Amino acid sequence: AQTVTQSQPEMSVQEAETVTLSCTYDTSESDYYLFWYKQPPSRQMILVIRQEAYKQQNATENRFSVNFQKAAKSFSLKISDSQLGDAAMYFCAYRIYTGTASKLTFGTGTRLQVTL
Amino acid sequence: GAVVSQHPSRVICKSGTSVKIECRSLDFQATTMFWYRQFPKQSLMLMATSNEGSKATYEQGVEKDKFLINHASLTLSTLTVTSAHPEDSSFYICSARATGETGGIYNEQFFGPGTRLTVL
Repeated sequence: AQTVTQSQPEMSVQEAETVTLSCTYDTSESDYYLFWYKQPPSRQMILVIRQEAYKQQNATENRFSVNFQKAAKSFSLKISDSQLGDAAMYFCAYRIYTGTASKLTFGTGTRLQVTL
Repeated sequence: GAVVSQHPSRVICKSGTSVKIECRSLDFQATTMFWYRQFPKQSLMLMATSNEGSKATYEQGVEKDKFLINHASLTLSTLTVTSAHPEDSSFYICSARATGETGGIYNEQFFGPGTRLTVL
């Protein structure tokens, strides 16, 4: 079974600084997606960034980027120029590439605090 | 992006009553919908996967007779918590999977805003 591990329950970053959230996963599949979701106090799940496993290039979305290490099964999220609005729970998630039976497996989450 | 709505956003009910939560994909068709439960400060726990027109598949440990799921159309799934008890109080989140490719990803999954259930 696939597992997703987030070893940092809480992280803190100062406004305008950079922070990296860690995620590791375990799978025997070769084709899959990896995701980072943000859950602010409103509880609405928001997709931050996604990575297809077959792509060697790391995904980036504005201030958000990932460091995808397929061999090490590592998928960290870097947030640059942190803003107060980035404060939220962040969940790493995994899903096999396709198929209606495929489902998201979430990590336990990292709570990010952003301080002035 | 695609929108998923949930209704109600918040519900309070008495112990022993049943509560129905609706999940709708507003601007896309979803052959598959997912229901999650989230306890405070915890991750999302998948309860069941529903496919339009067929019976839902429940995760291990989830009582199918207590959490009734109906996926009547390509845009609507409902979760009914039957004979609710205080331990059923939680945050319930639905998610809908788009058919085909949207935004460069195949079968992308979109989340509703959640429903907070409080059983007195």
